Amino acid sequence: KNEVEQSPQNLTAQEGEFITINCSYSVGISALHWLQQHPGGGIVSLFMLSSGKKKHGRLIATINIQEKHSSLHITASHPRDSAVYICAVRSFGNEKLTFGTGTRLTIIP
Amino acid sequence: GAGVSQSPSNKVTEKGKDVELRCDPISGHTALYWYRQSLGQGLEFLIYFQGNSAPDKSGLPSDRFSAERTGGSVSTLTIQRTQQEDSAVYLCASSLVSWNTEAFFGQGTRLTVV
Repeated sequence: KNEVEQSPQNLTAQEGEFITINCSYSVGISALHWLQQHPGGGIVSLFMLSSGKKKHGRLIATINIQEKHSSLHITASHPRDSAVYICAVRSFGNEKLTFGTGTRLTIIP
Repeated sequence: GAGVSQSPSNKVTEKGKDVELRCDPISGHTALYWYRQSLGQGLEFLIYFQGNSAPDKSGLPSDRFSAERTGGSVSTLTIQRTQQEDSAVYLCASSLVSWNTEAFFGQGTRLTVV
């Protein structure tokens, strides 16, 4: 079992739909990151969370430390949101990130 | 610079040759990370630098891989005697202090070993 699991692996939705991507992890963490990778490979850091909830524009990230679970939500989705979304965790006392395998999101106009 | 810069963006090399990949982090960022992403695979940690020292090299897959960082800035990842399984996108990231601060990624170097 991977330390970080994401679901779904692939998600196709219509423009305007509310999107949820889930991340579960099995280790104690000091921080969780959500990353966005566009075709061509560029990676952008969306959020870094250690508790609670963060919001940036149409993106919302939540984390439940007790349940070892995080969700990334996109409201009013748009074709430009099409990308791979990656969850990554940083374990206590460890600098490296362990990555999920990503969720490929496609938003259809 | 404005962002993390990696060079070259693409590299095709013959099996057995050595390659050097360069990362120029954001000015002032003390933490620097190398990752790789093989085709169809997730991101894999290689090495972490804090300043010029590398406290965590645990992800380097073999002794053919090495990395250095000089002046607390530019880092070079060297792969000796390249093998076909080394083909991947090599990504560099930097952050102000550590992963508890926001991370910024470069565009990556796509390495193809033929």
